[in-house]
Amino acid sequence: DAGVIQSPRHEVTEMGQEVTLRCKPISGHNSLFWYRQTMMRGLELLIYFNNNVPIDDSGMPEDRFSAKMPNASFSTLKIQPSEPRDSAVYFCASFPKRGTGGTEAFFGQGTRLTVV
Amino acid sequence: AQSVTQPDIHITVSEGASLELRCNYSYGATPYLFWYVQSPGQGLQLLLKYFSGDTLVQGIKGFEAEFKRSQSSFNLRKPSVHWSDAAEYFCAVGVGAGNMLTFGGGTRLMVKP
Repeated sequence: DAGVIQSPRHEVTEMGQEVTLRCKPISGHNSLFWYRQTMMRGLELLIYFNNNVPIDDSGMPEDRFSAKMPNASFSTLKIQPSEPRDSAVYFCASFPKRGTGGTEAFFGQGTRLTVV
Repeated sequence: AQSVTQPDIHITVSEGASLELRCNYSYGATPYLFWYVQSPGQGLQLLLKYFSGDTLVQGIKGFEAEFKRSQSSFNLRKPSVHWSDAAEYFCAVGVGAGNMLTFGGGTRLMVKP
């Protein structure tokens, strides 16, 4: 398996624009997480999906942020409108189904977002 | 709510020296504990994990960690550091089925020749 795949790897956008980050989890994994990494706040969990359903979105900072998981192999994190303080590295991670023996989350390479 | 503290933001060691990175957690139940490593521009790679059983766990790249319930600690160790170990290290506690991770602030390791 190619691992968790995120796109794009880098995104530079102007303030006010819509940004969409994409994630393809590992096949067979049924939990998906979006994290944000900044110097000031470290790694923060934004939202967690299980079987494509959002379970915990308490980490989503504001209504400008939204996430979807239309099927088991794809998720998006959207920021509309984007602001300079959204600049960060966004990571997607997936976790295996219970009972498959897997006990660790696998992380993608991240998307570095810069909002100017 | 759970929390993780990594007291050392930066650590510098000489190549070949031993290493210990500290991690303290706060969680009301039996924790699932993890150490991840992040190289510059990369994602996070799991070094090792503790779920139950033997409190000394072995990981990849020669790392080990010891769970001490009485001290709420899960310190990472390596007997002899290599230059390629320079990276940022994150301790995390997992809740739920162990899969929702709360991370510490990270420790940046620098290795002197």
